[in-house]
Amino acid sequence: NAGVTQTPKFQVLKTGQSMTLQCAQDMNHNSMYWYRQDPGMGLRLIYYSASEGTTDKGEVPNGYNVSRLNKREFSLRLESAAPSQTSVYFCAGNRGHGETQYFGPGTRLLVL
Amino acid sequence: AQKITQTQPGMFVQEKEAVTLDCTYDTSDPSYGLFWYKQPSSGEMIFLIYQGSYDQQNATEGRYSLNFQKARKSANLVISASQLGDSAMYFCAMRADAGNMLTFGGGTRLMVKP
Repeated sequence: NAGVTQTPKFQVLKTGQSMTLQCAQDMNHNSMYWYRQDPGMGLRLIYYSASEGTTDKGEVPNGYNVSRLNKREFSLRLESAAPSQTSVYFCAGNRGHGETQYFGPGTRLLVL
Repeated sequence: AQKITQTQPGMFVQEKEAVTLDCTYDTSDPSYGLFWYKQPSSGEMIFLIYQGSYDQQNATEGRYSLNFQKARKSANLVISASQLGDSAMYFCAMRADAGNMLTFGGGTRLMVKP
């Protein structure tokens, strides 16, 4: 089992460029999440998908969109990147409400 | 709204000694869960231990235990017999029963001295 995987591991963008961060899991998770971690801080929830076909905003959704492509995959899109979106992005999943969330290795994004 | 506070930005501990990392929380939900994650310098988030608000006993997982004091709204992580590999950032997080998202504290950097 690969667990929760994320691609790419590292990305540099120029302001205004767009990109999609990919997340996939083979742990049969029903729910999936996208968090961001800024330097010296804890993680903050961007968007989540409680189940296939549903998505909801988290604490910091502005500037992002998500797609729950199927049960395994949950992508995060930046339509027009800004320097304030420089961060480490983590994808996580769990089987459902109340269950422990397991995290992917993270994607380091630098927006110049 | 939920809030998690970790008041120790950094701590040192001697190898083989025990250490307590503090976490206090605030929520109006009667049912909630508390989690601790470890983030080594490589960056991944590793789940350590979980405590449910209605659990009667403190959670334990190997060298990790959670000192849960519900009336004081604290959920401190105790690491016994520290090892050099325990050097990392440690995050306390809470899930309120009304939702499934985690709210994280700011973290504590633990450094284990040989």
